[in-house]
Amino acid sequence: LAKTTQPISMDSYEGQEVNITCSHNNIATNDYITWYQQFPSQGPRFIIQGYKTKVTNEVASLFIPADRKSSTLSLPRVSLSDTAVYYCLVGEFPSGYSTLTFGKGTMLLVSP
Amino acid sequence: EAGVTQSPTHLIKTRGQQATLRCSPISGHTSVYWYQQALGLGLQFLLWYDEGEERNRGNFPPRFSGRQFPNYSSELNVNALELEDSALYLCASSLVQGNPSGNTIYFGEGSWLTVV
Repeated sequence: LAKTTQPISMDSYEGQEVNITCSHNNIATNDYITWYQQFPSQGPRFIIQGYKTKVTNEVASLFIPADRKSSTLSLPRVSLSDTAVYYCLVGEFPSGYSTLTFGKGTMLLVSP
Repeated sequence: EAGVTQSPTHLIKTRGQQATLRCSPISGHTSVYWYQQALGLGLQFLLWYDEGEERNRGNFPPRFSGRQFPNYSSELNVNALELEDSALYLCASSLVQGNPSGNTIYFGEGSWLTVV
């Protein structure tokens, strides 16, 4: 099980690009990297998933270097509604998800 | 398409009682996961069910149990409730396929359990 390390918190302003980096030095060959967003008192929401290089969808981009020991979630032009906790998860699907520890995640605060 | 649904939204129980939480996975999903999130803490894995069988269990006492029904819905039972069991209980579902690419788990909105 790959242990992940994320910043505890980050601050940003509306309209800025936010990059949240996650370290996972002992990632295994079959592990995928997944990011979730969680608002208070709600279930985590899937944002993006990747294995290597770059993945982009309508809400975010995920950058994964060749050694896969880290990954960066990029949120373009954040708004106040992006204030939430962001979790980086690394694991092999599906069995790995049963042992995943979400940890404390990164609390992103977006200000006007 | 409906997402993962959980009931009840809120539940208040007295210490020593039993609580039952229910989860309906996304249509077509065969795996159900249960997590506990105490206030201000991260999500802790509780149980994983797939095709009606318990596949894995987190580091929780035996008074936390559950089951998965033939229609893939699931329930979580917590016996002999303790004050520290007060938390948000989250259910997630997934479709297990041979190719993991693009597979992930999708969460419900959770059930708040308060033990007084």
